[in-house]
Amino acid sequence: DARVTQTPRHKVTEMGQEVTMRCQPILGHNTVFWYRQTMMQGLELLAYFRNRAPLDDSGMPKDRFSAEMPDATLATLKIQPSEPRDSAVYFCASGLAPLGQRGSSYNEQFFGPGTRLTVL
Amino acid sequence: AQSVSQHNHHVILSEAASLELGCNYSYGGTVNLFWYVQYPGQHLQLLLKYFSGDPLVKGIKGFEAEFIKSKFSFNLRKPSVQWSDTAEYFCAVKDTGRRALTFGSGTRLQVQP
Repeated sequence: DARVTQTPRHKVTEMGQEVTMRCQPILGHNTVFWYRQTMMQGLELLAYFRNRAPLDDSGMPKDRFSAEMPDATLATLKIQPSEPRDSAVYFCASGLAPLGQRGSSYNEQFFGPGTRLTVL
Repeated sequence: AQSVSQHNHHVILSEAASLELGCNYSYGGTVNLFWYVQYPGQHLQLLLKYFSGDPLVKGIKGFEAEFIKSKFSFNLRKPSVQWSDTAEYFCAVKDTGRRALTFGSGTRLQVQP
């Protein structure tokens, strides 16, 4: 039963601390997305990777957030330093974009269980 | 920019009642449309999707949605809801110019036994 996994599931930290969230996409998927969910803003896209290359991180505050894919089986989202307004649920999703096609076609995104972050 | 509107923020129904949740989007070109469900404390799961073809799409758990291009709508329906359908429902749209999904604000459905 292939699924996206995320760690940790819950994280409570103090303002100013570094937070690292990890995501393991479904094996074989070549697209990875990071979303943030808050009561006020709903679901927002933070970053998007295709074949490990960041293609869109316009939704991410650049001064404190960074997203990487060290390899095809791991995506990370870091916040340094963290602030209380970063408190949210962070979802990772993966999908399979057809090879050889330009643009953004793919079938669907599979979401992980999320990391619930609380910054005090 | 693409936007997605879900007009019903909170819906309360009794079991066996019929459900229709509205979703409207702003993009005038070719779109892919999705409905996701998020059960309490869980992650998003795909209910159904529309890419092309028959505008009436059937999904899991008895849900269906109808794509009406002239109205820019993709409303979700279920003839008879169950208590287990209590969840938050998100409509999402992907247009050909964007790589990711744009989500609506969600509709919280509460089904009373």
